[in-house]
Amino acid sequence: GQNIDQPTEMTATEGAIVQINCTYQTSGFNGLFWYQQHAGEAPTFLSYNVLDGLEEKGRFSSFLSRSKGYSYLLLKELQMKDSASYLCAALDSNYQLIWGAGTKLIIKP
Amino acid sequence: IAGITQAPTSQILAAGRRMTLRCTQDMRHNAMYWYRQDLGLGLRLIHYSNTAGTTGKGEVPDGYSVSRANTDDFPLTLASAVPSQTSVYFCASRAESFNSPLHFGNGTRLTVT
Repeated sequence: GQNIDQPTEMTATEGAIVQINCTYQTSGFNGLFWYQQHAGEAPTFLSYNVLDGLEEKGRFSSFLSRSKGYSYLLLKELQMKDSASYLCAALDSNYQLIWGAGTKLIIKP
Repeated sequence: IAGITQAPTSQILAAGRRMTLRCTQDMRHNAMYWYRQDLGLGLRLIHYSNTAGTTGKGEVPDGYSVSRANTDDFPLTLASAVPSQTSVYFCASRAESFNSPLHFGNGTRLTVT
């Protein structure tokens, strides 16, 4: 079956760096998305990776290893507003999105 | 402002009642989706539409129906609501390319009592 695994919850300190991991098993692979979702709000797009390697976008970076079925989202210089859930989703061979349950990130001052 | 509008924002519904959740987008996206989000679970696809006039079943379609009469509107209907349909419902759309990100509406919080 198809599956996405990511930690349920993580805690980090304001100003620090945090890495949120995601592993996936899908029937084929056409890329991996990360979304941010603040409590009570809609998910918003952060990144898309289809090739191996690291893509940097300001304080946020996303990494993909296709051979390992693994991705991570790296958040630097954490701010209180980064407290949110981070959703990992893989695009399978039929271009259907397979979603993880999300990682709730708690930022402490 | 371009985007997706969902209505209502929230609703309390008696079991057995019929309910239609509305979704309208002004981005001229062909592909539209309905998801439900429950605590501890990932977003689960209910129904989708790749273009006006066509619809398809997602992972959890039972008890729900959709229509796509035009590009902009994609309503979701619960014919006879049950308590297990208590959830947050998100409508989303996507531009042509499959690797385009989804744009989500603000969601409808539905409670079935």
